Amino acid sequence: DSGVTQTPKHLITATGQRVTLRCSPRSGDLSVYWYQQSLDQGLQFLIQYYNGEERAKGNILERFSAQQFPDLHSELNLSSLELGDSALYFCASSVQTSGAAGELFFGEGSRLTVL
Amino acid sequence: GESVGLHLPTLSVQEGDNSIINCAYSNSASDYFIWYKQESGKGPQFIIDIRSNMDKRQGQRVTVLLNKTVKHLSLQIAATQPGDSAVYFCAENSPTSGTYKYIFGTGTRLKVLA
Repeated sequence: DSGVTQTPKHLITATGQRVTLRCSPRSGDLSVYWYQQSLDQGLQFLIQYYNGEERAKGNILERFSAQQFPDLHSELNLSSLELGDSALYFCASSVQTSGAAGELFFGEGSRLTVL
Repeated sequence: GESVGLHLPTLSVQEGDNSIINCAYSNSASDYFIWYKQESGKGPQFIIDIRSNMDKRQGQRVTVLLNKTVKHLSLQIAATQPGDSAVYFCAENSPTSGTYKYIFGTGTRLKVLA
């Protein structure tokens, strides 16, 4: 158990709909990362938050947005869903102290299926 | 652009043999590298990491080698076991605008043959 919690584990929805994925980082971790993993693909970096502020952006679509709340949990919002958005969405957290980078701890992912 | 790639998408090894998984990275400014193991339906699990001021780091049955000259990373697994079957990802961490950006490769599937 990495200590990172993601909900829901599975989600099936229709094209055009909107969903919200939730992530609770490890206790004490200030930084949250979101990744998308399509079938048999690598992990595509979407976005990073640190202590409530957006810090880095990857190839995140305009239909997607995220935020990190004061209690440090994060939500990834996916709207106007398309078939191609079907994927595993992972959240990861790290301590992200100044200086040296550290290990990312991953949740078990949220599997999104768009029909 | 930034990229971390793997030479072999699938690697099959005999149980008990050693496995070597390779990774090329593109950003010479990357200062931290991690290997992750991902089993089917699960999140990536940390295996071993290495910082750019090191060439080699050993863990339990695993060794990571870093060659900064050619921007190459490898993961060696000794005495490969059936439980090692999984997809392995390398990731590079590049300091970017005051934060860290972890970029993952596409992964190598390791199959352990009995």
